[in-house]
Amino acid sequence: KAGVTQTPRYLIKTRGQQVTLSCSPISGHRSVSWYQQTPGQGLQFLFEYFSETQRNKGNFPGRFSGRQFSNSRSEMNVSTLELGDSALYLCASSLTGTSTDTQYFGPGTRLTVL
Amino acid sequence: AQSVTQLDSQVPVFEEAPVELRCNYSSSVSVYLFWYVQYPNQGLQLLLKYLSGSTLVKGINGFEAEFNKSQTSFHLRKPSVHISDTAEYFCAVRQQNNAGNMLTFGGGTRLMVKP
Repeated sequence: KAGVTQTPRYLIKTRGQQVTLSCSPISGHRSVSWYQQTPGQGLQFLFEYFSETQRNKGNFPGRFSGRQFSNSRSEMNVSTLELGDSALYLCASSLTGTSTDTQYFGPGTRLTVL
Repeated sequence: AQSVTQLDSQVPVFEEAPVELRCNYSSSVSVYLFWYVQYPNQGLQLLLKYLSGSTLVKGINGFEAEFNKSQTSFHLRKPSVHISDTAEYFCAVRQQNNAGNMLTFGGGTRLMVKP
């Protein structure tokens, strides 16, 4: 069974632009979560989607948004990019999205903002 | 709210030596505990998790961890490390009985295995 895939793997943008990242979960998984990883702040939770509904949201500004489609694939969007948005963005999927469930992570999208 | 502290940012160790990576957590509610490993340019891979039952949990690649409720700790151990264990290790917690599976991570510990 294929793992979590994220596209693109690398991305370079300039300040003020917007960006869309894509995540395809493991087949059959219904929960998708997004995390931001930076050297300074570490791993921080962005949001979680389950059956096309946002279930939890981390402490990030409204420039960060996401959505989930009926096939469980998810996208996250960052508008008006800032230098501080440079990070590795990780997507994780789980089968049921319950608190005992294991999350499987993708390889991430490395975003560089110039 | 929960928080996770990994006491060592870097741990250098010689090959075939034992290692312990320390993790302490703080939470006002009951949590589940996880250890993940991240190899360079890769995502996170689950090593092991504690949900309930025996406080000694065995994971993949010869790692194990012990949950200590009184000390709110979940330290990761391996009796003999290999060069291939060089990676960054993350301890994480998740609130029990929560609608959702959000993880709160520690800052990570870089394990450097030297020949």
